[in-house]
Amino acid sequence: NAGVTQTPKFQVLKTGQSMTLQCAQDMNHNSMYWYRQDPGMGLRLIYYSASEGTTDKGEVPNGYNVSRLNKREFSLRLESAAPSQTSVYFCASSEDPGGRSPLHFGNGTRLTVT
Amino acid sequence: SQQGEEDPQALSIQEGENATMNCSYKTSINNLQWYRQNSGRGLVHLILIRSNEREKHSGRLRVTLDTSKKSSSLLITASRAADTASYFCATDGGSNYKLTFGKGTLLTVNP
Repeated sequence: NAGVTQTPKFQVLKTGQSMTLQCAQDMNHNSMYWYRQDPGMGLRLIYYSASEGTTDKGEVPNGYNVSRLNKREFSLRLESAAPSQTSVYFCASSEDPGGRSPLHFGNGTRLTVT
Repeated sequence: SQQGEEDPQALSIQEGENATMNCSYKTSINNLQWYRQNSGRGLVHLILIRSNEREKHSGRLRVTLDTSKKSSSLLITASRAADTASYFCATDGGSNYKLTFGKGTLLTVNP
């Protein structure tokens, strides 16, 4: 089972460039999430989608947009990358929203903005 | 802002010893979860404990929850080198939609 697949695994951007991080899950989960992980900061929620057709802001949404393309796919877009967005980005999915069921994580996208 | 905070930030033990990590949180919860993260990998779910449960076991893992103290602990018994990882608690803060993670405890198990 693939679980949660994130692409790309690594990316280097220059300030001002844009890119889309892709995420797909094959577990028929209803909810999907984007987190970023920075040293000493733990994981912080950027956006989430409780169910297909809905998206909501998390703790740190500024500078990001998301699209829940269908039940399987949830993409994260950086319109104009900034060095502060250098981070490891994790996509996750769960059967039910929030903390009612376990989250399944992808292996992350390591993004560097110069 | 972090809902859950793990303690200690780092823990180093010998193989075979037990490891205990604690998590404190600020607001009421419906559920609390523990995750493990190996270096360079995504998080892996370990245990989910509901607010009406006090203790839960899974193999060598034991989780307790004290809602009156707003705290939880994760005990790993008879630790192995392969248990070396970061461990995170995550809480829903009473919300049905968001799961908030702490900053983690880095556990090192020395052979």
